[in-house]
Amino acid sequence: KQEVTQIPAALSVPEGENLVLNCSFTDSAIYNLQWFRQDPGKGLTSLLLIQSSQREQTSGRLNASLDKSSGRSTLYIAASQPGDSATYLCAVRRETSYDKVIFGPGTSLSVIP
Amino acid sequence: EAEVAQSPRYKITEKSQAVAFWCDPISGHATLYWYRQILGQGPELLVQFQDESVVDDSQLPKDRFSAERLKGVDSTLKIQPAELGDSAMYLCASSLPHAGTTNTGELFFGEGSRLTVL
Repeated sequence: KQEVTQIPAALSVPEGENLVLNCSFTDSAIYNLQWFRQDPGKGLTSLLLIQSSQREQTSGRLNASLDKSSGRSTLYIAASQPGDSATYLCAVRRETSYDKVIFGPGTSLSVIP
Repeated sequence: EAEVAQSPRYKITEKSQAVAFWCDPISGHATLYWYRQILGQGPELLVQFQDESVVDDSQLPKDRFSAERLKGVDSTLKIQPAELGDSAMYLCASSLPHAGTTNTGELFFGEGSRLTVL
């Protein structure tokens, strides 16, 4: 059974700092891994998707890496801004005939001005 | 820009009442998911459809929850009777199927329906 964990559960940093969020999964037989952002009371917004054959993806100040063999992914946020404050979730899609997606519990990020 | 539509955004109901949520996925997305998210936790899959067929409802409390996607497009999730513990955000998502295709399998979410049971 696939389990997804995220460390830390919460993080508070001063504006301008670079930071790393971690995601771990127990079963390496994944099709892809997706990082999402969730603002309070809202739905999930897709940030980056990494296919199992890829090592990393970049979008603006965000960089996500994937090490499938060790069951780990990291989301790197450069030069953090108060607007980055949100909960960040990772989700893995299984490599099966249908597409079950399992989520981690999320990391709550607060960027202090 | 195409998006997943959900309604209502907020629902307050008393326990033992019936409640229903509606979702319209992105056009052409054959795979539709209903997730439940309790505050401070990650989303938990309730039911997954491929076209009009249920492919996973192992975590759906079938004594009170039901879901349908009759024509393989929009979907309804119903709770009857509602219990206090059902208070949560109900999220709908859709994607193109990836099995046997070159699709990325990217998941797209709606804004969610926040349920409060009193």
